[in-house]
Amino acid sequence: DQQVKQNSPSLSVQEGRISILNCDYTNSMFDYFLWYKKYPAEGPTFLISISSIKDKNEDGRFTVFLNKSAKHLSLHIVPSQPGDSAVYFCAASAHNQGGKLIFGQGTELSVKP
Amino acid sequence: DAGVTQSPTHLIKTRGQQVTLRCSPKSGHDTVSWYQQALGQGPQFIFQYYEEEERQRGNFPDRFSGHQFPNYSSELNVNALLLGDSALYLCASSYPTGSEAFFGQGTRLTVV
Repeated sequence: DQQVKQNSPSLSVQEGRISILNCDYTNSMFDYFLWYKKYPAEGPTFLISISSIKDKNEDGRFTVFLNKSAKHLSLHIVPSQPGDSAVYFCAASAHNQGGKLIFGQGTELSVKP
Repeated sequence: DAGVTQSPTHLIKTRGQQVTLRCSPKSGHDTVSWYQQALGQGPQFIFQYYEEEERQRGNFPDRFSGHQFPNYSSELNVNALLLGDSALYLCASSYPTGSEAFFGQGTRLTVV
């Protein structure tokens, strides 16, 4: 039972353009969502998060949007840079689960110069 | 700040053996979680330790066990290794209220 899904295994974007990574979830108890970035041979690095009481959170080039009714969130990267090339994981947690994170399968982003 | 550190970085074991992986949390964090990441998949939650007790557990068999020490460092033990246990094992630390978890670089376990 995949509670968090990232349906696009890969995404290729031109440098300077917008990258949009999508994530869907099924568990309505999830109230906190996170995006992690992972380079090969490294652990995931926290990027940005959003609470279910918000519908948007912005940090520099990164913006996360949450649509609770659709159980969908997206990560926008503007402008995309070659150094953004990595695997991006969406993760979700419920406040009564004490920090247990449920991850999607990941989307590999390639930003071409 | 050393961040989350894991040891060893790579390990090769034979089917049926036992393995112990180690994790030191980020300074100030007292909660440690372990995840298994198979190739091409997202990390899967194994269990979480807080105040030296297992607080939560994912859908993993009893062959997977852990421990947390008074200094908040943690060990993951896997008994009777199977070929399917080959994966990247990630340790994450956080404050007990959850929010962001910070990950180590992982231990790549190969079972042959």
